[in-house]
Amino acid sequence: DTEVTQTPKHLVMGMTNKKSLKCEQHMGHRAMYWYKQKAKKPPELMFVYSYEKLSINESVPSRFSPECPNSSLLNLHLHALQPEDSALYLCASSQDDWKGNTIYFGEGSWLTVV
Amino acid sequence: GENVEQHPSTLSVQEGDSAVIKCTYSDSASNYFPWYKQELGKRPQLIIDIRSNVGEKKDQRIAVTLNKTAKHFSLHITETQPEDSAVYFCAASIWNNDMRFGAGTRLTVKP
Repeated sequence: DTEVTQTPKHLVMGMTNKKSLKCEQHMGHRAMYWYKQKAKKPPELMFVYSYEKLSINESVPSRFSPECPNSSLLNLHLHALQPEDSALYLCASSQDDWKGNTIYFGEGSWLTVV
Repeated sequence: GENVEQHPSTLSVQEGDSAVIKCTYSDSASNYFPWYKQELGKRPQLIIDIRSNVGEKKDQRIAVTLNKTAKHFSLHITETQPEDSAVYFCAASIWNNDMRFGAGTRLTVKP
């Protein structure tokens, strides 16, 4: 089973709202990722958690706040977003963040900021 | 950091023809090269990958070749079908947390 589950699938939020995106995997993977994908562009890495610790933050604005409550769950807390933050947010996981382990993507959460 | 270039940006072929997408990478230390297929409104899905100790890998109608000296790798799809129509991304990495994607190729297979 190579399933990464993301909720919600669609989210519309105002610029003053606080919301969260959730991600879950039960493959025993120890690395989890958040990517952002704008239309007609490749996925861009935002955060990496390795063994439940934040290992990479690709200079993401503080209005995006990741959280890894346990090895199966990954959240992305959203606050005071801008319309340009509207995008597809992809969660992914891999066995670990070492060499060349396959990264599996979730279905994504479509975020619209109004 | 790694820089991946992908060509062409769009590719249109007749059903049954072959399609080839090419990528180059900049960091000679990169050792893992996956290819993802993304259909409209869906997630990227891994279709094939290759590691630097292998020159070619094949899975049914899909093959990937790697030339480490020239730092380029290619995706080959034979006997294309309409359901192969999608955006294809190549990627390169040393460690998973530095994976860089190419800009993508929109493949259209005409019936």
